[in-house]
Order: sequence, then structure tokens, then C-alpha cells
Amino acid sequence: AQRVTQPEKLLSVFKGAPVELKCNYSYSGSPELFWYVQYSRQRLQLLLRHISRESIKGFTADLNKGETSFHLKKPFAQEEDSAMYYCALKRLSVFENNRLAFGKGNQVVVIP
Amino acid sequence: GAVVSQHPSWVICKSGTSVKIECRSLDFQATTMFWYRQFPKQSLMLMATSNEGSKATYEQGVEKDKFLINHASLTLSTLTVTSAHPEDSSFYICSADSRGQAEAFFGQGTRLTVV
Repeated sequence: AQRVTQPEKLLSVFKGAPVELKCNYSYSGSPELFWYVQYSRQRLQLLLRHISRESIKGFTADLNKGETSFHLKKPFAQEEDSAMYYCALKRLSVFENNRLAFGKGNQVVVIP
Repeated sequence: GAVVSQHPSWVICKSGTSVKIECRSLDFQATTMFWYRQFPKQSLMLMATSNEGSKATYEQGVEKDKFLINHASLTLSTLTVTSAHPEDSSFYICSADSRGQAEAFFGQGTRLTVV
């Protein structure tokens, strides 16, 4: 069975401090990992996906298959980064669709 | 990005009645739509996956007779909560994607309160 674990529910950091959100997964197949973000009163939106290897809004995440992790990092937190962050794993489906399993999410609060 | 719209954004209904929630893809054809349920301060729980023109696939533990899903067109899926009870009160979110699309797009969610 697929499982995504985000251990810390709430993370408070000062503006300018580094942020790291941990995500571990268990999946028997070859995973595709994502980070989604939900700002206050807004819908869930894709932040980044591991196959893109991009840096979005200063955030990066590297897939480590050995440690089955996909931690999200940003060196200098900004106030606008305050949001809920969800790690998600794409599960293989015969329909080739975006069937996702989500972690429980991290509430990030950036203190001015 | 593509837009997915849910209607209504919130609804209050009496116990025992049925409620229908709509999910529309506004600017693309969604071959697949997903319905999630989110409890307060918890993650999204996938309820079911629906492909246009076929029966929905429900996740383990989700009652298909309780949560009726219809995906009759490439732009519309509906979730009907039948004989609603207070424990069905929750935040319901849909997402939609199209074959070959890189990501799924999410609706704004529907807050259901059963009194």
C-alpha cells in the first residue's frame, strides 16, 4: 500500500530562516512525488513535482529513493510562504490519471 | 493553469436529505475527476475516482450507495450525498485532469454541514 508521511503538523519559523518540511513515502513501485500548497482561503495548487527538478518560489525538493524521502526546502522563509503544504504521491493507475495519495500536511507559519 | 469550479461553495442541509455537489472543468476536458473529503486539520482523503462515461471507482471504506458519483460529460462530475447525517459534515474537494496532463487541478471545495 502507498503511504505518505509528514511528521510535523505545525512549523513556525522566523522570516529569513530556513524551512524544511519532511516527507517520507512507502510505495512498491516507481513513485512520482509532488508538493502541493494551500494558501489561506485558496484552493490546493501544485507547488512542484520531482521530475521537473525546478525551484518554485525558492522551494526545492529532491527525491531520495534510498531514504524514500522528498523533503521540501527553502533557504530563506518569507511571510507569504505561510500556508498548508501537502506532500503527495502519484499512484499508478490503468487509467494513467493523477490519482494521488496525500500526507497529512504541514501548517507553516512564518513569523515576521 | 486550468480552472476547476465547484458548486456550491457551502451548503447546509437537514439530516435525511440529499445534497448534490457539482465539479466542472471550465477550460479543458477532464477525462478523470477525483473526489476527496477533508476533515478539519486533516489531510485530503480520496473517496473515489471517476472516468467519463464509466462507473466510479471507490476507495476502500467509502460507501458507493451513500456517495453517488456521476461523470456524464467531459466537463462535469457530480457527487450526491444521500440521506445525509451530521457525520457527513465535511469539506469535499474535487480535482480534474486530462490524459497526458502533467497535473490535476483542484476545485475550491464545498463545505457541507448537516444539521
